[in-house]
Amino acid sequence: DQQVKQNSPSLSVQEGRISILNCDYTNSMFDYFLWYKKYPAEGPTFLISISSIKDKNEDGRFTVFLNKSAKHLSLHIVPSQPGDSAVYFCAAYPNYGGVTNKLIFGTGTLLAVQP
Amino acid sequence: AAGVIQSPRHLIKEKRETATLKCYPIPRHDTVYWYQQGPGQDPQFLISFYEKMQSDKGSIPDRFSAQQFSDYHSELNMSSLELGDSALYFCASSSLGGGRSDTQYFGPGTRLTVL
Repeated sequence: DQQVKQNSPSLSVQEGRISILNCDYTNSMFDYFLWYKKYPAEGPTFLISISSIKDKNEDGRFTVFLNKSAKHLSLHIVPSQPGDSAVYFCAAYPNYGGVTNKLIFGTGTLLAVQP
Repeated sequence: AAGVIQSPRHLIKEKRETATLKCYPIPRHDTVYWYQQGPGQDPQFLISFYEKMQSDKGSIPDRFSAQQFSDYHSELNMSSLELGDSALYFCASSSLGGGRSDTQYFGPGTRLTVL
């Protein structure tokens, strides 16, 4: 049962344009979300996170939006650069009332930024 | 900045052999996590340790065991290897005891191939 879903396996964008990566989740106990970028043969690199008490968090070219009622979040990259080409994973922490450790990952979206 | 170190980066083993993967967390990080990523899959949580004690457990086979040592490095021991154990194994570390809102930083991974 995939609790975090990234329905677009791939996305192609022109350099300088906006990239929008989407993520949906099913578990209402998720209360903290992270985006990671992953290049081949490397580990995931943390990009940006958002708590469920917020609906937006911005860091440079990266902005994450959270719509709790729709159980949906998105990552916006503006402007997109060729070096952004990678697999992007959405991940979530569930809140079961205590300390939680495990990240639940989405299936990933391969972003290709065309020069 | 120092990152998570994993060794070896690549490992080839025969069926029924054993393997030991090592993880050295970012300095002053007290929590270590292990994830397994099969081909075309998202990373799946295996196990985590906080201050040398197991703090959470995921879908880790009984054939696998892990521990965190006094210097905070961790080792994942895998016995009776099966073909299906072939995967990328990521280690991550964090500094807040693995609580909610904790950011996990990932190592480059160990690619295990079982022949």
